[in-house]
Amino acid sequence: EAGVVQSPRYKIIEKKQPVAFWCNPISGHNTLYWYLQNLGQGPELLIRYENEEAVDDSQLPKDRFSAERLKGVDSTLKIQPAELGDSAVYLCASSLDIDSRGAEQFFGPGTRLTVL
Amino acid sequence: SQKIEQNSEALNIQEGKTATLTCNYTNYSPAYLQWYRQDPGRGPVFLLLIRENEKEKRKERLKVTFDTTLKQSLFHITASQPADSATYLCALAIRGTDKLIFGTGTRLQVFP
Repeated sequence: EAGVVQSPRYKIIEKKQPVAFWCNPISGHNTLYWYLQNLGQGPELLIRYENEEAVDDSQLPKDRFSAERLKGVDSTLKIQPAELGDSAVYLCASSLDIDSRGAEQFFGPGTRLTVL
Repeated sequence: SQKIEQNSEALNIQEGKTATLTCNYTNYSPAYLQWYRQDPGRGPVFLLLIRENEKEKRKERLKVTFDTTLKQSLFHITASQPADSATYLCALAIRGTDKLIFGTGTRLQVFP
């Protein structure tokens, strides 16, 4: 079974440029998460989807970040414009069903973003 | 303030010994707690889940305890091996929110 797929794996951009990350979750997983992970820190939730609905985006900086999961399968996270402080690893994860309390999350390898 | 704390200093132990990692939290009402392993350049991998009404969980060489009075979880790896070297993250699910809050992780290094 294929795991969570993310692309690109690495991205280097100059500040003020836009950037987009793509995630394809494990087939059949209804819940999709985007996390941000800074060096030496744990992942921090940016947004959680249940199918195509964003059910928790309270930590998403909406002035520059946006996300979509149009058909309830793959998802895109966008930053426009990027700032120096956005340099981090962006992780995507999926789980089978959040209602089965404690569903483990399956993480992709992440996209390492460097903003110059 | 609400925090999940893990020892930020690396834990170095000799092969064959038991590694014990600590996860402390404050001001949360937990529903359950998970432990993940993360290798460099990779995403976290789920290891174990323990619910608030459970005291202990085991899986092969892994053991997790959960003390909601002390607000602490301990993660043990018995008969540790160099292949166990990684960063271990605890993640607390807040009751009623389905939200998972991760600790900062502790890096474990097992020497032959």
